[in-house]
Amino acid sequence: GIQVEQSPPDLILQEGANSTLRCNFSDSVNNLQWFHQNPWGQLINLFYIPSGTKQNGRLSATTVATERYSLLYISSSQTTDSGVYFCAVEYNTGNQFYFGTGTSLTVIP
Amino acid sequence: NAGVTQTPKFRILKIGQSMTLQCTQDMNHNYMYWYRQDPGMGLKLIYYSVGAGITDKGEVPNGYNVSRSTTEDFPLRLELAAPSQTSVYFCASSIAGGRGNEQFFGPGTRLTVL
Repeated sequence: GIQVEQSPPDLILQEGANSTLRCNFSDSVNNLQWFHQNPWGQLINLFYIPSGTKQNGRLSATTVATERYSLLYISSSQTTDSGVYFCAVEYNTGNQFYFGTGTSLTVIP
Repeated sequence: NAGVTQTPKFRILKIGQSMTLQCTQDMNHNYMYWYRQDPGMGLKLIYYSVGAGITDKGEVPNGYNVSRSTTEDFPLRLELAAPSQTSVYFCASSIAGGRGNEQFFGPGTRLTVL
């Protein structure tokens, strides 16, 4: 199967700082999503982004499909951004999504 | 529009017991999925369905069964529960496969097998 690696595994930020999270994948993908899992365990859709760039408020994401990576940018971080960020990819039209192991983000006031 | 709902929220089982985790979506999505998430890990696909009457195995199907008799419901059955099945279970749905296959997740069921 496809390998999905996320970095860094852990990140601690001061409130107001910016950060970049990375997702590398080992094969061509049809779909890619970024999720935020909040401290209560809920998975929240951030971006559906198989290619290109999208922005939503303080968050933006870029996927360079030909180079097999995606980046999630968080600007002016807030304590509510804390949690685990996952990327998930679907490849080979197999209707199966593969998740990375996540980046655990802690934003301190 | 409730999205994807799951019941129960929490459950404790004894080894060897069985149970069904319920999942319902009201978005008229064709595709539905069951994942498990072990502590500190990402999600792994157990089973998925591309429509009523059609199911297929994911990465980790052993010890589980599913059925899909309606578009809305996709229950997950655990037979002979084992401690290795202690996990958080998430159900998800998406409108269709291929490009545009954005998944939406339910709140999860936390299962402990003792």
